Amino acid sequence: SYEVTQPLSVSVALGQTATITCRGDKIESKNVHWYQQKPGQAPVVVIYRDTSRPSGIPERFSGSNSGNTATLTISRVQAGDESDYYCHVWDSSTAFFGGGTKLTVL
Amino acid sequence: EVQLVESGGGLIQPGGSLRLSCAASGFTVNNNCMNWVRQAPGKGLEWVSVIYTGGNRYYSDSVRGRFTISSDTSKNTVYLQMNSLRAEDTAVYYCAREPELGHNDVFDIWGQGTMVTVSS
Repeated sequence: SYEVTQPLSVSVALGQTATITCRGDKIESKNVHWYQQKPGQAPVVVIYRDTSRPSGIPERFSGSNSGNTATLTISRVQAGDESDYYCHVWDSSTAFFGGGTKLTVL
Repeated sequence: EVQLVESGGGLIQPGGSLRLSCAASGFTVNNNCMNWVRQAPGKGLEWVSVIYTGGNRYYSDSVRGRFTISSDTSKNTVYLQMNSLRAEDTAVYYCAREPELGHNDVFDIWGQGTMVTVSS
């Protein structure tokens, strides 16, 4: 079994940069995907395969993955970015999600 | 338009069975790995099962032996047969697609989810 750990919550001031981490053993050897989920809605992918951004996702969203930590960075945070964010990896034909991080915009 | 629509959720007693359906449109389920992901009320996402394009199937430890994933290409639909249901299976169940030719990849399309409540 593989474990990925995220902070429960991150707070950031409007217009500043938010950083959400996803920690796992040698996670740099895996593809990490990130999802945004608003209340009552299905998740939406915002970053896939560590650093790629789907069409329609603002350039303010970016990702990185090194060592034991993958990171989702949201620049110039807007009120609409307030959501839950989940990282996702695969290990031996099993998918694992991080516990989720609630992003609060102050 | 590429879309997934789940159905089949509801209230079921512990020990009962339920079959969820995920109807796909805009693509062929046979060409994509298809997954089920669930989310208990107020909790995070939990992966449940995958069916690969080659037909292989995998399950989380929490449902293996009780749940079965399958697909019907004639109906372009993926199913999740859930037996011996427990209170801890209560969740919104999402169907999620991987990109064509993907394998153990991102979930690029999600359905709106269907609620399963296991309670007496």
